Amino acid sequence: EAQVTQNPRYLITVTGKKLTVTCSQNMNHEYMSWYRQDPGLGLRQIYYSMNVEVTDKGDVPEGYKVSRKEKRNFPLILESPSPNQTSLYFCASSPWTGGGEKLFFGSGTQLSVL
Amino acid sequence: ELKVEQNPLFLSMQEGKNYTIYCNYSTTSDRLYWYRQDPGKSLESLFVLLSNGAVKQEGRLMASLDTKARLSTLHITAAVHDLSATYFCAVQETSGSRLTFGEGTQLTVNP
Repeated sequence: EAQVTQNPRYLITVTGKKLTVTCSQNMNHEYMSWYRQDPGLGLRQIYYSMNVEVTDKGDVPEGYKVSRKEKRNFPLILESPSPNQTSLYFCASSPWTGGGEKLFFGSGTQLSVL
Repeated sequence: ELKVEQNPLFLSMQEGKNYTIYCNYSTTSDRLYWYRQDPGKSLESLFVLLSNGAVKQEGRLMASLDTKARLSTLHITAAVHDLSATYFCAVQETSGSRLTFGEGTQLTVNP
């Protein structure tokens, strides 16, 4: 089954404790991206990647890191999480044909930073 | 900076009625997307609009794009309860690959 898999689904952590949220897709998509969703703000793009070893900042990259060493994986790293990073996070992927392809979203990761 | 604004943000309507959700954006783009999100769920793609005048229809939903006015609409015809969800538009700048979402429109269809 074609899917985008995020783990974990829920995560509670404390300020400053490094964490990684994993994202994997099995559709051989070139484009992958991370979003955070906060009430009243819609989804905001954190980082995106157009292919292996190619990543770029979205609208809210501060406090986050990503890597794209393999085509299927695009982990989101919070080196020193803070309470303002408490949010619902979505990973998404799509084929890249210069734009115009719909995104396939993962199930989301609800992160709470205490 | 690309800004995307949806209105209304909240919409409560009766079954059988028609209504339109608007999505305005601030910069040149010919790539606009509509997504649906059910409570507690992820997002699923509804429509991809790629040119001025593009119109797509699926069931009771119809989306259109006017790139000159920088406006997209999502029209709901004869609403049913199953359409209750939050609807997001998203715009991709012509010159790049960043995607900017609107705030979302929370639609509730009442019997």
